[in-house]
Amino acid sequence: GQNIDQPTEMTATEGAIVQINCTYQTSGFNGLFWYQQHAGEAPTFLSYNVLDGLEEKGRFSSFLSRSKGYSYLLLKELQMKDSASYLCAVREYGNKLVFGAGTILRVKS
Amino acid sequence: EAGVAQSPRYKIIEKRQSVAFWCNPISGHATLYWYQQILGQGPKLLIQFQNNGVVDDSQLPKDRFSAERLKGVDSTLKIQPAKLEDSAVYLCASSLAGREGTQYFGPGTRLLVL
Repeated sequence: GQNIDQPTEMTATEGAIVQINCTYQTSGFNGLFWYQQHAGEAPTFLSYNVLDGLEEKGRFSSFLSRSKGYSYLLLKELQMKDSASYLCAVREYGNKLVFGAGTILRVKS
Repeated sequence: EAGVAQSPRYKIIEKRQSVAFWCNPISGHATLYWYQQILGQGPKLLIQFQNNGVVDDSQLPKDRFSAERLKGVDSTLKIQPAKLEDSAVYLCASSLAGREGTQYFGPGTRLLVL
């Protein structure tokens, strides 16, 4: 079966660092993806991990541990515009993407 | 480059009526997806096309939903008849062949079934 777990909501302060965790149990694994979705808008691609370790892209970093079925998205120097839902998605064999329910991040000043 | 186009953006219908959504993917993207996103949930894949062939439609309620991608470009998703629980945002996405993790989403169609 498929199970992707993320916290429902998180709140952080502008300028701070926040870590959004994702754990997964899927029938196959061919990469883990993070997408950002602002309210009322479509998801946009943020990052991709297929091997264990940390991938850094500007203020955003993503980490993967395949043995633990665990990933996190790290957002540094938070800005108000980072307020959005962050979706963890696993690509299964056959290239199907399975999305988690998303974590709503609220950035306060 | 132009993004994924979808129409209409909003649709309100009564239950048991039919509705159709249209999607035009990014030029050159062989893979096209239809997702259903219910409020508070992540997108759920309904159907995935590679060119004009179906790759995965395991979660498509085939008794009421149908989709086609004629000529491997535009696609339409139809619901007939609609139920109250079909109220959701229907997202179309596309990707290059072999790059299925990096998908580009359209703005979506918000469907409300009354």
